[in-house]
Amino acid sequence: DIQMTQSPSTLSASVGDRVTITCRASQSISSRLAWYQQKPGKAPKLLISEASSLESGVPSRFSGSGSGTEFTLAIISLQPDDLASYYCHQYNSYPYTFGQGTKLEIK
Amino acid sequence: QVQLVQSGAEVKKPGASVKVSCQTSGYTFTTSHIHWVRQAPGQGLEWMGIINPGGGSTEYSQRFQGRLTMTRETSTSTVYMELSGLSSEDTALYYCARSPIQLWSRNPFDYWGQGTLVTVSS
Repeated sequence: DIQMTQSPSTLSASVGDRVTITCRASQSISSRLAWYQQKPGKAPKLLISEASSLESGVPSRFSGSGSGTEFTLAIISLQPDDLASYYCHQYNSYPYTFGQGTKLEIK
Repeated sequence: QVQLVQSGAEVKKPGASVKVSCQTSGYTFTTSHIHWVRQAPGQGLEWMGIINPGGGSTEYSQRFQGRLTMTRETSTSTVYMELSGLSSEDTALYYCARSPIQLWSRNPFDYWGQGTLVTVSS
């Protein structure tokens, strides 16, 4: 199975800050990496697919980068609405796997 | 609009089975795979398996082999997930999610159900 190691597990930042979350795959997954945002009590929402492709309707302050085994989610100019948990997800091979998640707190 | 609507919460005793439904609408049923993902309380996401609604073929995580069955009913555009031999460790929120089918490619999960809470308790 492909292990996805995500860091940090928690992140505290202020409105307007730039934050980054990293995800490392135990083997190459090409660009088949997605990022999801999950707000409390809600289903995950797809933010980014193919490592860097922003989904329709997702604010441009979100961006993704990377390929192979190293990936990054960046949020510039953090907003209060960004309070959530974030998960990376590899869909290159079965069993699909997720990172452990990053809980983003707004100071 | 695309919708995945799941059945309601369940409470089961250890050793029992649970069957959760996921009724889809707003798109052609056979053009997207349906996956099941679960989330234990306060924990992360765990992929359980996939069903191709067209032919009914499935792929399950080894963690659930022998306990998990996914089926579909094309007349109602509904997918079912049945998990047997329940233990307290299966207490979780269970989600269905779709990924559009593309030849020679794979896709992440663009629409999700609202989740079904399964509680296993004696």
